[in-house]
Amino acid sequence: SAVISQKPSRDICQRGTSLTIQCQVDSQVTMMFWYRQQPGQSLTLIATANQGSEATYESGFVIDKFPISRPNLTFSTLTVSNMSPEDSSIYLCSVLSGRASEQFFGPGTRLTVL
Amino acid sequence: EDKVVQSPLSLVVHEGDTVTLNCSYEVTNFRSLLWYKQEKKAPTFLFMLTSSGIEKKSGRLSSILDKKELSSILNITATQTGDSAIYLCAGGGAGSYQLTFGKGTKLSVIP
Repeated sequence: SAVISQKPSRDICQRGTSLTIQCQVDSQVTMMFWYRQQPGQSLTLIATANQGSEATYESGFVIDKFPISRPNLTFSTLTVSNMSPEDSSIYLCSVLSGRASEQFFGPGTRLTVL
Repeated sequence: EDKVVQSPLSLVVHEGDTVTLNCSYEVTNFRSLLWYKQEKKAPTFLFMLTSSGIEKKSGRLSSILDKKELSSILNITATQTGDSAIYLCAGGGAGSYQLTFGKGTKLSVIP
């Protein structure tokens, strides 16, 4: 399986600011995703990060709030913009393996917004 | 809308016990069901099931899918304190790599 790293692993931010989370994979992958896990909840897909084109967002998530970049097949960023306390969550990137469509997750970023 | 429901939501057992975690799903054009173990932040992949009735096994963990009943179970035998975690079940549909997650079962194994 691919080795996935995320930066930062955690952060505490002030309301109204923005944070960019990076996801790096040790091999080229076609599919990368960004998920959110709010406290006590399960994982919710934010968007699919598409290489060379705009991300595909799920219902309830918009590009202005969660801009995503995917400049190549090993790297993606998710920005959480104009943050509010409701954005306090764990943010996870995930990738599909090269076979059988197994999905693997990065270590996550725990974001707290004050 | 796709839905995945897990039960129980939480479970406390003693070391050495055997546990069964349940997952039921309603997924459009169902293709696969995945189980993950989440200890801190990152879910760790356990199994992916696509065929009904075929058990997948890894050490003390095993899982099986029942497409007729739209469900899956995850069994853990001879539980250890290191098995304490949230176990997540997720369903995936054909034509999309999106996963729909259940809320998880929080398993606590006490000595």
